[in-house]
Amino acid sequence: QKEVEQDPGPLSVPEGAIVSLNCTYSNSAFQYFMWYRQYSRKGPELLMYTYSSGNKEDGRFTAQVDKSSKYISLFIRDSQPSDSATYLCATHTGGFKTIFGAGTRLFVKA
Amino acid sequence: DAGVIQSPRHEVTEMGQEVTLRCKPISGHNSLFWYRQTMMRGLELLIYFNNNVPIDDSGMPEDRFSAKMPNASFSTLKIQPSEPRDSAVYFCASSYRDSPNTGELFFGEGSRLTVL
Repeated sequence: QKEVEQDPGPLSVPEGAIVSLNCTYSNSAFQYFMWYRQYSRKGPELLMYTYSSGNKEDGRFTAQVDKSSKYISLFIRDSQPSDSATYLCATHTGGFKTIFGAGTRLFVKA
Repeated sequence: DAGVIQSPRHEVTEMGQEVTLRCKPISGHNSLFWYRQTMMRGLELLIYFNNNVPIDDSGMPEDRFSAKMPNASFSTLKIQPSEPRDSAVYFCASSYRDSPNTGELFFGEGSRLTVL
């Protein structure tokens, strides 16, 4: 079993839709949770960062962590074609080793 | 800031040949990571360095893989001999690890390796 599980998709939605992306993890020691966005043929870039449980909002993006169920979510409101990318969840315990999910490919159709 | 710089961007080689990938981290960052990305396995951590010292190389798939960081501004990942299953995109990332260890990773654009 992988430490971080993520459905690779692809996920296709119309412009303006609310997008929900999810991951589960197995190690209860994970404390730091991130979402990276990766455009085609580019390296991943940090989108959102959360420590422990709770919600964090940044514009159209909301990251949510539920440590009791080991569940990580990213919500995108009013999705735009420019949001089309691969979204990777990631986590670490506070050390050096960041573990990534497989990434979900998102397509937002105009 | 120039960001993390990787070279070459693309490499096509034949099975059995030696491959060397290069990385220049962001100035001032003290941690460097090599990841490999494939469709089947996603983004896998191969090795990471802190202050130029290898900390964990448990992700290096075989003895054919080796990595060095001779100074704070340069690292190499070498595959010798290369095999077709090594075909992947290899990413280098750097970060500044401080307390409480948030450490955003800054990735380069990757080196796309094809082994025929």
